[in-house]
Amino acid sequence: GESVGLHLPTLSVQEGDNSIINCAYSNSASDYFIWYKQESGKGPQFIIDIRSNMDKRQGQRVTVLLNKTVKHLSLQIAATQPGDSAVYFCAEKGAAGNKLTFGGGTRVLVKP
Amino acid sequence: GAGVSQSPSNKVTEKGKDVELRCDPISGHTALYWYRQRLGQGLEFLIYFQGNSAPDKSGLPSDRFSAERTGESVSTLTIQRTQQEDSAVYLCASTPRGIQETQYFGPGTRLLVL
Repeated sequence: GESVGLHLPTLSVQEGDNSIINCAYSNSASDYFIWYKQESGKGPQFIIDIRSNMDKRQGQRVTVLLNKTVKHLSLQIAATQPGDSAVYFCAEKGAAGNKLTFGGGTRVLVKP
Repeated sequence: GAGVSQSPSNKVTEKGKDVELRCDPISGHTALYWYRQRLGQGLEFLIYFQGNSAPDKSGLPSDRFSAERTGESVSTLTIQRTQQEDSAVYLCASTPRGIQETQYFGPGTRLLVL
């Protein structure tokens, strides 16, 4: 997976605004993608997933978009709340096996 | 119900000592994963257990790392002769029967090697 060392990309967003977190993946054969949220001191928590035969999937306040042409994945959070402050990771699974490859993560800071 | 649990939550050890980390998956989950997460970084896959199949050890960084799992229950990750670069959070995840991709993570064990 990607690594951004000690300096995670950070997205600062005003409470109530929408957030968009982007992720580029490397394996064109990946058939399944997941977004995880990780709060400080906790393990990652599943948010939403999408299979490669879809280009959009919506959950509660979250939408995942998949663009296979450019191997890009995004997570949109509507009406961002203070509780959304966390590090967000995308993960991809290749067509074979059950191994997930994680991206380096994006930190979201919600300003009141 | 109970989630994935890991112990200890924190471990401080001296360089050269062995450590053993424990993971209790969600009951009934067939697959179990170990990951390493260094400070400010993403998750690195270490090893994957699925039922009685041979584990996928392709992510283990060196022969100092090993893991065991008995059936579909507890797993232990052992790091021998720890080095300072082993300092990280070690995360365990399990997946439900038939839903191989939705991983439920434990809180992790924070390992510090002095």
